Amino acid sequence: DTEVTQTPKHLVMGMTNKKSLKCEQHMGHRAMYWYKQKAKKPPELMFVYSYEKLSINESVPSRFSPECPNSSLLNLHLHALQPEDSALYLCASSQEVGSLGSNQPQHFGDGTRLSIL
Amino acid sequence: DQQVKQNSPSLSVQEGRISILNCDYTNSMFDYFLWYKKYPAEGPTFLISISSIKDKNEDGRFTVFLNKSAKHLSLHIVPSQPGDSAVYFCAARSSEDDKVIFGPGTSLSVIP
Repeated sequence: DTEVTQTPKHLVMGMTNKKSLKCEQHMGHRAMYWYKQKAKKPPELMFVYSYEKLSINESVPSRFSPECPNSSLLNLHLHALQPEDSALYLCASSQEVGSLGSNQPQHFGDGTRLSIL
Repeated sequence: DQQVKQNSPSLSVQEGRISILNCDYTNSMFDYFLWYKKYPAEGPTFLISISSIKDKNEDGRFTVFLNKSAKHLSLHIVPSQPGDSAVYFCAARSSEDDKVIFGPGTSLSVIP
């Protein structure tokens, strides 16, 4: 059982739709992350939230919009996605960030498998 | 430009034998290294880590070795079990930022 919960597990959407991916953790972790993983590739970092503030945006297109409503929740709002955005979207959390968190592993959810038609 | 490399896309090992997975990195600012294991349809699961101030860390059947001068680390699994069959990702991070950089992964098959 994973301690990071992601919903939905699967999502199929058209290019004009608006949808949201959700991530929740109750471990008291202060850092939360969104990753994108294509088939047979490693996870690629998209966003990092540190103490509920966006600290890293890896030049992600604006059709992906992250939100951290509180310390336990992380959302990824999707709008006008392209077929190449089809991938597994992984959420992760870690206890701390920066130099305090450098020796702490990230805990991953099982991901949302996103398909864009 | 891959900062973390795993040059073997796949590895097959007989059950009971040793599995050795290798990883190389280029960024000398990395000071913490992690191994993750991933089964299909699941997220990566943390396995073991090592700080750059150490050269070995052991946890049960899993041992990670770090050679800083060669910018090389390896994961040893002894003895290998069929349940170890998965994709193994090497990852690295620097204490200067919150980015974890993953290698491309090695698919391990442990044959009964």
